[in-house]
Amino acid sequence: QKEVEQNSGPLSVPEGAIASLNCTYSDRGSQSFFWYRQYSGKSPELIMSIYSNGDKEDGRFTAQLNKASQYVSLLIRDSQPSDSATYLCAVNVYSGGGADGLTFGKGTHLIIQP
Amino acid sequence: GAVVSQHPSRVICKSGTSVKIECRSLDFQATTMFWYRQFPKQSLMLMATSNEGSKATYEQGVEKDKFLINHASLTLSTLTVTSAHPEDSSFYICSAEPGQGAVGELFFGEGSRLTVL
Repeated sequence: QKEVEQNSGPLSVPEGAIASLNCTYSDRGSQSFFWYRQYSGKSPELIMSIYSNGDKEDGRFTAQLNKASQYVSLLIRDSQPSDSATYLCAVNVYSGGGADGLTFGKGTHLIIQP
Repeated sequence: GAVVSQHPSRVICKSGTSVKIECRSLDFQATTMFWYRQFPKQSLMLMATSNEGSKATYEQGVEKDKFLINHASLTLSTLTVTSAHPEDSSFYICSAEPGQGAVGELFFGEGSRLTVL
């Protein structure tokens, strides 16, 4: 059973601080990794994708990947109340990389306190 | 960015009736679309992969005769929940991969919240 694990939270972070979200996965053959943001009652939206070890930055968001540790994280700098949402980690477990191989974690509920 | 539109956003139906949900790719052609289901506080679960012009591929445990999928054009896939029961109440979300970004980057429709009475 291929699994993607996330702490469900809630993770509470003061406004302006750095929010750190973590995800581990079980399949060493995983090739691509994604972070989606989902507001309550809404569908997910893609925030970041990462494919190689190291950091990838996009604005206030930084994705970090460590394949040896089977660990992927998302850092949100200068957290804003609008960042309050559930963050879903998704891992592609098929070597072909097609989207039908995506497995989602249950998500971490992030709360940014004003 | 790529847009995927889903309709209806909410539907309430009586037990035993059928409900059709439409998913459209508005600015790109999608030979493949994906249907997910999400129960409260649970993760997204892939139900089936919809393939234009051919049969859908269903995930293990998903009844193909209950969840009918039709992908008749490159921009439209439909999911019909037949003989719906209260346990089918859930948030159904379609998605597609535009191909403009990297493989596996999905764009989701708005979702359809089904309540079966």
